[in-house]
Order: sequence, then structure tokens, then C-alpha cells
Amino acid sequence: SQQGEEDPQALSIQEGENATMNCSYKTSINNLQWYRQNSGRGLVHLILIRSNEREKHSGRLRVTLDTSKKSSSLLITASRAADTASYFCATDEGAQKLVFGQGTRLTINP
Amino acid sequence: DVKVTQSSRYLVKRTGEKVFLECVQDMDHENMFWYRQDPGLGLRLIYFSYDVKMKEKGDIPEGYSVSREKKERFSLILESASTNQTSMYLCASRRNRNQPQHFGDGTRLSIL
Repeated sequence: SQQGEEDPQALSIQEGENATMNCSYKTSINNLQWYRQNSGRGLVHLILIRSNEREKHSGRLRVTLDTSKKSSSLLITASRAADTASYFCATDEGAQKLVFGQGTRLTINP
Repeated sequence: DVKVTQSSRYLVKRTGEKVFLECVQDMDHENMFWYRQDPGLGLRLIYFSYDVKMKEKGDIPEGYSVSREKKERFSLILESASTNQTSMYLCASRRNRNQPQHFGDGTRLSIL
């Protein structure tokens, strides 16, 4: 089952702009994670945010979590061409496994 | 850094063959996972293992089996490959539930 649903499915912006991606989920979670996938490669972990946290930062990345709305957002500031990738949220429902969304394809135009 | 190594980046097999995909991690992680990734369907969990010789079915286990004889190695087996198993296969490992998963680079498998 795909619990995390990312929005939008695709996003194209100019280099230097900020990119915001959203994720919604349906059940209670222990934590929510964001991953990046470059074309043809495996996923790379970006940020893990626990259910009792509201915001987390890592470099140019900022993740927020609103458990009352069952939603999360990933903000990439000052985007670069190297940020072009697919971004996935994944939720830990407490059953030893993660449930991934279908991802947002981000394209950064030079 | 954690390294998860999948034995092949690209693999071509024929229908009916028995196919083995190997995954090795070097960080003594307890949990290991096999996913397949298809356009429009995202990542779907096939099987996972939380300890040596232990396995749990994921969302789409039909047509697959797994083996975990050693902690560092988790093998995915296609018992009799079919064309609908053509896909990108991703292996991952993690230490425990509060830690992220670390992925290999994937195996793009084509069944002809």
C-alpha cells in the first residue's frame, strides 16, 4: 500500500528558486523520512523527522511535519542544477517497514 | 559510510529461469529489504528480514523468495522468471526502526 502521497508529481523551477514538495499520509506514524533518487540510481536518505518533532533542518533542506493534518513538506532553498532528482517521502507505521509515496520529479533549469 | 552493494547493475534473463539477486551490506545492520520500482507505481516492498534466517512478506511477495543465511547478505530469488518481473530492484538495510534505510544502486532486470 502507498501511504505517502507526494504533491506535486512533477515540479520545474529556475536555478536559485526555492522548491517545495508536500507529502500526505493516512495513519499514525512513528517517523517520516525524505529520500532523493537520481536517475537510474538508488535512494539517498535526506532527513528523518520523528512524530513529536515539527521542523528539522539540514543545510538547504527544511522539513516540517504536521501530525494533526497528517502532512509534511520538504523545502529546498536556493536550488541548484544538482538538485534535479525524484524526491520521496516514506512513513514508518510501526510494522518494521517503510511505506513510500510515488515521488515528486524535480527539475532545476539553468 | 554505510555501503549496500548489489551484485549487478543490469541483468538480462529469459522467462522460466531461476534468477538470484544478491545484496551485501557492511554495517552489521539487523534489517534488510527488497523493493521493486516501476513507473507510476513507486517503490513496493517484496520481502524484508529483521534477523538471520528470518523473513517477512511485504506487499508483493508472489513469485519471489528470499534467503538470509548471514547477517550481511540478503538474496532475492525469482523462482521462475516471468516478463512481468522486468523491473528495477532495490535493496536496502537499516540498523533499527529509528534509523534511515540505506539503499544500493539497484539492479535493472529484464526478463525476455
